[in-house]
Amino acid sequence: ELKVEQNPLFLSMQEGKNYTIYCNYSTTSDRLYWYRQDPGKSLESLFVLLSNGAVKQEGRLMASLDTKARLSTLHITAAVHDLSATYFCAVDKKGGSEKLVFGKGTKLTVNP
Amino acid sequence: NAGVTQTPKFRVLKTGQSMTLLCAQDMNHEYMYWYRQDPGMGLRLIHYSVGEGTTAKGEVPDGYNVSRLKKQNFLLGLESAAPSQTSVYFCASSPGTGGWIHEQYFGPGTRLTVT
Repeated sequence: ELKVEQNPLFLSMQEGKNYTIYCNYSTTSDRLYWYRQDPGKSLESLFVLLSNGAVKQEGRLMASLDTKARLSTLHITAAVHDLSATYFCAVDKKGGSEKLVFGKGTKLTVNP
Repeated sequence: NAGVTQTPKFRVLKTGQSMTLLCAQDMNHEYMYWYRQDPGMGLRLIHYSVGEGTTAKGEVPDGYNVSRLKKQNFLLGLESAAPSQTSVYFCASSPGTGGWIHEQYFGPGTRLTVT
C-alpha cells in the first residue's frame, strides 16, 4: 500500500527565511504532484514532477524529486506572507494508477 | 472554460435527510473523484470514476453513493446524512489518458454541515 508522509505538518517561519518541506513515500513512483490550498479555498496545482531528478521552480518555490530516495522536497526561499497556505504532495504509483495518494499537508504560516 | 464546478457551495442538513452534490467538468476528462477534507485528516478519497458509467470505492465510501451517467458529471449522494459527514467535499477531475492520471483539477468545494 502506497503511503505518503509530509513533514513538518505545521511550519511557522519569519519573512525572509528559507525552509524545506519534505514528502516521503513508501513504494516506487516516478510522478509526484505539489498542490497549494489557501484557507477556505480549493487546491491549486503547483508542480508536476515526472522523473527522477526533476526540478521545477516558480518564484520563491522550488520542488525536486529523488525517486531513488522516494523523496520530494519543496524549498521556500526568502519567504513572504503571501506564501502562507497549506501545501500537499501527492504520489502516483509507478506504472500508472487510477488514484493519487495525498500527504496530510503542511500548514505554512509566514510571519512579518 | 469553467473547469470543475460544484453545486451547491454550502448546505445544512438535518440528521437523516438526503442530498446530492453535483460535480461538472468541461475539460473532457475521463477520471473524476470525490474527496472529503476534515481538519487534521488531509484529503480522503470517497469514490471515483475512470469513465462514463463506471464507479469505484475509495478510502471512505460508507454512507455515500455515486453515479456517472454522463462523462462531464459526477454525482455524490448521501442517503441518510449523519453528523460524521459534516465536512468539506471536493470534486476533482483528471485526463486519465492511457492509464496515467496526470494532475488532478479541483472544484471549489461544498461545505456541508449535518446537525
